[in-house]
Amino acid sequence: DVKVTQSSRYLVKRTGEKVFLECVQDMDHENMFWYRQDPGLGLRLIYFSYDVKMKEKGDIPEGYSVSREKKERFSLILESASTNQTSMYLCASRLGGAGASETQYFGPGTRLLVL
Amino acid sequence: EDQVTQSPEALRLQEGESSSLNCSYTVSGLRGLFWYRQDPGKGPEFLFTLYSAGEEKEKERLKATLTKKESFLHITAPKPEDSATYLCAVGTSGSRLTFGEGTQLTVNP
Repeated sequence: DVKVTQSSRYLVKRTGEKVFLECVQDMDHENMFWYRQDPGLGLRLIYFSYDVKMKEKGDIPEGYSVSREKKERFSLILESASTNQTSMYLCASRLGGAGASETQYFGPGTRLLVL
Repeated sequence: EDQVTQSPEALRLQEGESSSLNCSYTVSGLRGLFWYRQDPGKGPEFLFTLYSAGEEKEKERLKATLTKKESFLHITAPKPEDSATYLCAVGTSGSRLTFGEGTQLTVNP
């Protein structure tokens, strides 16, 4: 079974703090993704990574950065947290490579509250 | 622009009352149609991937079908434990998924 884990289920931070969200997958997947999920807006892609040290902007990258130093780990960084970044953050992974399934597997999510 | 629309937004059923959820899409170059189930406060759980019109897949009380413009998730004789939000997504170029906003299903005993 594919397993995607996220470092925290719930997180409370103050405005202006630097926030790190960690995601680890154990299936040697090449591709990893960060989404946020908000009521009425659905899942929106923030950043994704095709492979180690590679990253691509998604639809809403402003205010976020990412890091992928190891294949199994993909970090989302909020450089200076703001209240409008209060959301559910979801990490996903995909096998990658030519001919591979497009199916993405999700972690349990981190619910972030910025005060 | 790729678009995914799910209907209805919410659906209430009695236990045993079969129904269908709809996912209509417009996409240039479909690379898969995906169904996920999401329980409150949790991440989406993968259910099915469909790749071509006419394809069908089944899992317990769920059956997913695909045409060139839409997909249906049929729920036969649902149980209360089937209550969840069901998400539809389409795969597009660059390994990206575009999601619909989901259908919130409630099955009453």
